[in-house]
Amino acid sequence: GAGVSQSPSNKVTEKGKDVELRCDPISGHTALYWYRQSLGQGLEFLIYFQGNSAPDKSGLPSDRFSAERTGGSVSTLTIQRTQQEDSAVYLCASSPQAGADQPQHFGDGTRLSIL
Amino acid sequence: SQKIEQNSEALNIQEGKTATLTCNYTNYSPAYLQWYRQDPGRGPVFLLLIRENEKEKRKERLKVTFDTTLKQSLFHITASQPADSATYLCALGYNFNKFYFGSGTKLNVKP
Repeated sequence: GAGVSQSPSNKVTEKGKDVELRCDPISGHTALYWYRQSLGQGLEFLIYFQGNSAPDKSGLPSDRFSAERTGGSVSTLTIQRTQQEDSAVYLCASSPQAGADQPQHFGDGTRLSIL
Repeated sequence: SQKIEQNSEALNIQEGKTATLTCNYTNYSPAYLQWYRQDPGRGPVFLLLIRENEKEKRKERLKVTFDTTLKQSLFHITASQPADSATYLCALGYNFNKFYFGSGTKLNVKP
């Protein structure tokens, strides 16, 4: 399809394991965002990419979280040594270019559950 | 940091009526304010954007207002339909590509 694709859609893992979440943005979109949504909470900004570089990593909760984007396209969000408080839905969005006036196109997220 | 308030209680209205949702914020006004719709298990979908120097924006049955003095945006759906039932999120967009999302208000439109 032509939309933002995220995988896996669901992930259940044990505390202490590492997880990798993937985002395929809309082709040609240069800006890519990662958010976290906990039950009943707003979207919490994690990181955004302009091309392959990440001008703003301020939202990453701890050094266990990292993200990369290669080829200006696919992005992966990695969480090391997962904790129960990492359980949430992780959403990825892309837009044609960076800018506060740009609508964001979201994927349906990865629902992460840490046992 | 920015604090955004959207009514956490669900809004229940009758089909055909106008739904009005509120987004209040503290601190400095954003350059742009966006509204999104989110259905259960799905990602948010963009609906409308309004700039800080615009008072009102319309798109079909949707209308958004933006009052930087009150630090408030109102989102209206006229002639509401059961298919409009969803959670609606407001998002504040600032220069340097900074976004803050509210936690959303759930709208239930009863037939």
